[in-house]
Amino acid sequence: AQKITQTQPGMFVQEKEAVTLDCTYDTSDPSYGLFWYKQPSSGEMIFLIYQGSYDQQNATEGRYSLNFQKARKSANLVISASQLGDSAMYFCAMREGSTGNQFYFGTGTSLTVIP
Amino acid sequence: DTAVSQTPKYLVTQMGNDKSIKCEQNLGHDTMYWYKQDSKKFLKIMFSYNNKELIINETVPNRFSPKSPDKAHLNLHINSLELGDSAVYFCASSHKLAYPPNEQFFGPGTRLTVL
Repeated sequence: AQKITQTQPGMFVQEKEAVTLDCTYDTSDPSYGLFWYKQPSSGEMIFLIYQGSYDQQNATEGRYSLNFQKARKSANLVISASQLGDSAMYFCAMREGSTGNQFYFGTGTSLTVIP
Repeated sequence: DTAVSQTPKYLVTQMGNDKSIKCEQNLGHDTMYWYKQDSKKFLKIMFSYNNKELIINETVPNRFSPKSPDKAHLNLHINSLELGDSAVYFCASSHKLAYPPNEQFFGPGTRLTVL
């Protein structure tokens, strides 16, 4: 089974609108972390936001928030007030507490912000 | 100050050649990784080292050989390059401790083109 599933290969959003990028995960480890990375066309991988499995509240970082639904094993990224510079690939990733060293990445979602 | 650096950024070479990519991190991390990103943007873990010890070795042709002279460096040597090796190779690093899960920091990537 895939550890991380991103079902949206491509998404479009109007500038200034909010967009949700989906991510579901699969683990039996009670301790894990979920991460989102952004990869713009320039190619670098930029860490955006992190959610721990024991965190009681959803993580937020500026315009990014993580909609963490533990029972559903989903960790969707919400970008509010989209900007043209948000156009990029977005990767969801997970790190399990027991294995620790390996990060599992999803296949990514390509987001295009339309002016 | 560059956190994770890779050299070279671009590498164009002929089939059959041997080449190396160097990676260095100045974050004090003890775990380093190599990923391959193909043309469809899928990120595939190749190797991971913790304190110079190989801990993840995914199904990768043995033409690929990582070397970690110390915990701040992880180099990748590729023998007898093939067309299918063309990809972007990312180096990354993180703290060993899985919880609280620490994110990976990525290098800028090395775009390898095999002709």
